[in-house]
Amino acid sequence: AQKITQTQPGMFVQEKEAVTLDCTYDTSDPSYGLFWYKQPSSGEMIFLIYQGSYDQQNATEGRYSLNFQKARKSANLVISASQLGDSAMYFCAIANTDKLIFGTGTRLQVFP
Amino acid sequence: NAGVTQTPKFQVLKTGQSMTLQCAQDMNHEYMSWYRQDPGMGLRLIHYSVGAGITDQGEVPNGYNVSRSTTEDFPLRLLSAAPSQTSVYFCASSRPTGTGVVVQTGELFFGEGSRLTVL
Repeated sequence: AQKITQTQPGMFVQEKEAVTLDCTYDTSDPSYGLFWYKQPSSGEMIFLIYQGSYDQQNATEGRYSLNFQKARKSANLVISASQLGDSAMYFCAIANTDKLIFGTGTRLQVFP
Repeated sequence: NAGVTQTPKFQVLKTGQSMTLQCAQDMNHEYMSWYRQDPGMGLRLIHYSVGAGITDQGEVPNGYNVSRSTTEDFPLRLLSAAPSQTSVYFCASSRPTGTGVVVQTGELFFGEGSRLTVL
């Protein structure tokens, strides 16, 4: 069975600062994928970034980077230069071949 | 681009009524799934399908039925609605890969969600 844990229910960050959202996982599968999604107040799910378990380098997508530490089973999301529009719920998820399991999410609030 | 379309967007039911949430995708995705989202619980997987004629249970399947007669459609049926099924429901799909339908694609495409209230 797979499990995703997000221990930060809420985070605050000042505009233009960097913020790290924590995510730890547990799985017995040797091959898996790790994802981050953003859900703004409007409700849609927006894909941010993906990391494969065999990828050697940390994934980056613009201001988003995934700090993948396989031995510690962590996949933290780093948002650089936060913007007001980054205020949203953020979900970490893990997938094997046929299931994508989500964590409970972290609400990020960016203040001026 | 239609993507993943869910209907209805809002529905109010009485306890014991039945209904079907419709989900259709026009991207020829083999993988489709249903999630429910409740406050503080994140998204929980209800049922999923890796192709037409194939369905399987997720984390919280009780009270829900699914079928997959075509690649495009993946309806979710509530046979006897209960207040505990009040939630926001999301349908999602993913494009096929050689060996892993989800893990290698990097992305699930989500519908806009359906808000269901059971009184």
